[in-house]
Amino acid sequence: NAGVTQTPKFRVLKTGQSMTLLCAQDMNHEYMYWYRQDPGMGLRLIHYSVGEGTTAKGEVPDGYNVSRLKKQNFLLGLESAAPSQTSVYFCASTPLGLAGYNEQFFGPGTRLTVL
Amino acid sequence: SQQGEEDPQALSIQEGENATMNCSYKTSINNLQWYRQNSGRGLVHLILIRSNEREKHSGRLRVTLDTSKKSSSLLITASRAADTASYFCATDNMNSGYSTLTFGKGTMLLVSP
Repeated sequence: NAGVTQTPKFRVLKTGQSMTLLCAQDMNHEYMYWYRQDPGMGLRLIHYSVGEGTTAKGEVPDGYNVSRLKKQNFLLGLESAAPSQTSVYFCASTPLGLAGYNEQFFGPGTRLTVL
Repeated sequence: SQQGEEDPQALSIQEGENATMNCSYKTSINNLQWYRQNSGRGLVHLILIRSNEREKHSGRLRVTLDTSKKSSSLLITASRAADTASYFCATDNMNSGYSTLTFGKGTMLLVSP
């Protein structure tokens, strides 16, 4: 099993450009999450999904959109990138999200720089 | 807003010593989890403690939870250079009925040979 994979690993954008980050998991997990990590800030939840075809906003959703068309994939889109979106983005998944059984499995991250 | 707050922000010890990190949180929780992050890598789950548990062990890790004080501690015994990493606590609040974790800012642990 590959676990959780993220594409791409690195990306540099100019302000105003758009891009999509892809997260894929092969563990048949129901829940998937997108986080951003900034220096000294820990991880902050952007959006999450509790199943195929569903999405919900997290703590910092502005400027991002997501889609979960297939159970194994969770896409994060930036329609018009801004320098404030320079960050490391992590995807994670968990089986059913049941309290006490919801350890999250993380991807390796995507380092995004917006100039 | 950050739910968990780790203390200290940074910790430097020698191999063989014990490392203790603390986490405080604000609202009631279903469980509290600890994760490790090596430099430039994703987070790795270490241990989960439920709200009705007070202590849990896993190998060289010992976690305690005091819900009355809204705090948890992670003890790593007999530390090794390979334990050098950032450690994060995360709380599961189930506020919306769905499982989401809120992470603290982390403790950076440096273990010197």
